[in-house]
Amino acid sequence: NAGVTQTPKFQVLKTGQSMTLQCAQDMNHEYMSWYRQDPGMGLRLIHYSVGAGITDQGEVPNGYNVSRSTTEDFPLRLLSAAPSQTSVYFCASSKPGQSYGYTFGSGTRLTVV
Amino acid sequence: TQLLEQSPQFLSIQEGENLTVYCNSSSVFSSLQWYRQEPGEGPVLLVTVVTGGEVKKLKRLTFQFGDARKDSSLHITAAQPGDTGLYLCAGAHGGFGNEKLTFGTGTRLTIIP
Repeated sequence: NAGVTQTPKFQVLKTGQSMTLQCAQDMNHEYMSWYRQDPGMGLRLIHYSVGAGITDQGEVPNGYNVSRSTTEDFPLRLLSAAPSQTSVYFCASSKPGQSYGYTFGSGTRLTVV
Repeated sequence: TQLLEQSPQFLSIQEGENLTVYCNSSSVFSSLQWYRQEPGEGPVLLVTVVTGGEVKKLKRLTFQFGDARKDSSLHITAAQPGDTGLYLCAGAHGGFGNEKLTFGTGTRLTIIP
């Protein structure tokens, strides 16, 4: 039972480059989300999905795209990396319903130079 | 924007002491979740509280949800070095109850042996 798997674990990008952060879960969870964690600012929601084919913006969506073609996968795309996107990115998944919490991946540490 | 304020931001106490961490908001949430995060890892769910006034106990940890579902507290009895970590509260909201989480900025707890 792998839970939520994120790849890569570390990445260095040059300004203007694009890349995709991968996230996969094997728990058949309908809800998936992407967060970024910055010092002193906690975790902030980037994009989320309530099921395959359905995505929506969170608090800080600019510069990021997502798609959800399957229940298992929820990739996050950085279109043109900027130094302000240097952060730790977490993917999380959950069953729907207010009594359920989220399972988080171990994160991707991204540095944009 | 829904905000969650956690206090204190940092707490360093001796092994065996008791402590309380607070999580406050002006917004109503469908549930309040508590997570603990270790360095280099994603947050791990400790508990979800759903009903106003609800109290849940997890060994030496006691979680309470405020009557108005706007605030929560985490009380640790007889703290141990293994309790050291970043404690995060998160308010769940959205049409179905937990599509989105709003995180507090966290309480960094250090237990001194």
